[in-house]
Amino acid sequence: ILNVEQSPQSLHVQEGDSTNFTCSFPSSNFYALHWYRWETAKSPEALFVMTLNGDEKKKGRISATLNTKEGYSYLYIKGSQPEDSATYLCAPQDNYGQNFVFGPGTRLSVLP
Amino acid sequence: DGGITQSPKYLFRKEGQNVTLSCEQNLNHDAMYWYRQDPGQGLRLIYYSQIVNDFQKGDIAEGYSVSREKKESFPLTVTSAQKNPTAFYLCASSIDNGGSTDTQYFGPGTRLTVL
Repeated sequence: ILNVEQSPQSLHVQEGDSTNFTCSFPSSNFYALHWYRWETAKSPEALFVMTLNGDEKKKGRISATLNTKEGYSYLYIKGSQPEDSATYLCAPQDNYGQNFVFGPGTRLSVLP
Repeated sequence: DGGITQSPKYLFRKEGQNVTLSCEQNLNHDAMYWYRQDPGQGLRLIYYSQIVNDFQKGDIAEGYSVSREKKESFPLTVTSAQKNPTAFYLCASSIDNGGSTDTQYFGPGTRLTVL
């Protein structure tokens, strides 16, 4: 079973601040990495899937980078808005199995 | 609208009773999954199914059972053998699960409380 860590566990930022958080995973046998956003009372929603070292993906004010050699991914949010408040989950896949292994998440609160 | 539905949203059961959680999808996805979430932990995989009439144990299958008689349905039974069944349960589906990077789509979840 992959050991997946996310940091910080939670953070509070002011509206307009930019922020970032980290997903760490074993670099050996890497296959893909998924990021999800999970808003309270809603279903987790897919943000990105990345497979190649150095991949960068962007969706509006949210972007992500991937380093498969050292086993981490960063998620950036530029100019945070209250609607960005959610738990952000990462889920790497290794090439032994098709299934995702979810990290514990980073809970973001954006204060107006 | 296409999507995944789970029912009920909240479920209460007495200790020692089996309970079945419903998961239905109309996305025509082949693969379906059940996860459990506990505070401070990531989603943990209970069971998954890649095709009708076939399913595999995930990381924490003990005390649970599933069936996949129809493509669109993947019910999860929490048996009395599950030592700590109180949790939030999420169902998901994806187009395929054959070594691909297919996105998983999630239902709204069921919160089970065993009294």
